[in-house]
Amino acid sequence: LAKTTQPISMDSYEGQEVNITCSHNNIATNDYITWYQQFPSQGPRFIIQGYKTKVTNEVASLFIPADRKSSTLSLPRVSLSDTAVYYCLVNTGGFKTIFGAGTRLFVKA
Amino acid sequence: GAGVSQSPSNKVTEKGKDVELRCDPISGHTALYWYRQSLGQGLEFLIYFQGNSAPDKSGLPSDRFSAERTGGSVSTLTIQRTQQEDSAVYLCASSPRTPSDEQFFGPGTRLTVL
Repeated sequence: LAKTTQPISMDSYEGQEVNITCSHNNIATNDYITWYQQFPSQGPRFIIQGYKTKVTNEVASLFIPADRKSSTLSLPRVSLSDTAVYYCLVNTGGFKTIFGAGTRLFVKA
Repeated sequence: GAGVSQSPSNKVTEKGKDVELRCDPISGHTALYWYRQSLGQGLEFLIYFQGNSAPDKSGLPSDRFSAERTGGSVSTLTIQRTQQEDSAVYLCASSPRTPSDEQFFGPGTRLTVL
């Protein structure tokens, strides 16, 4: 199974852009890259998904280089409410999904 | 429409007792997942159901854990002879079809084993 590696935690200030990078060196040809957000006492919530290049939605952007061995979640102009844990997922052919430890983002005023 | 629901929201039990946790997925979703999350940790995959196919049980931590999904809808996770290390939040998720589809999570069941 592909393993993902993310920073354990990150700090930011309101209004800044935050970029969280995930490494997935063993990603398979058919795999998609998906990011989830989790607030305390809640289940994770889907943010964005991509296969290659760049994907943008109303919440975030996802940048994937040509070799797809990493991906970067970009959160524009974060607010205090963006403080959460962010998980990067890669599905590796089977149906078992591995969330990993995620990145704890702290947004300060 | 209704999202994924789980019951009970909280369960306190004594060591050695059996517990059953229930998950009602979103109607029409063929894929259903169970995860476990210990305090301050990431999500640990437990089991995956897809339609009428045999479930992927590779994440179940011991033979005390089992799960079933009746009629392709409601799922029950059973933990027999609970241990204190089973204390965690148990999360259920469903998705329309494949693992690459967005997973919709329920609020979880917080299990405390005394």
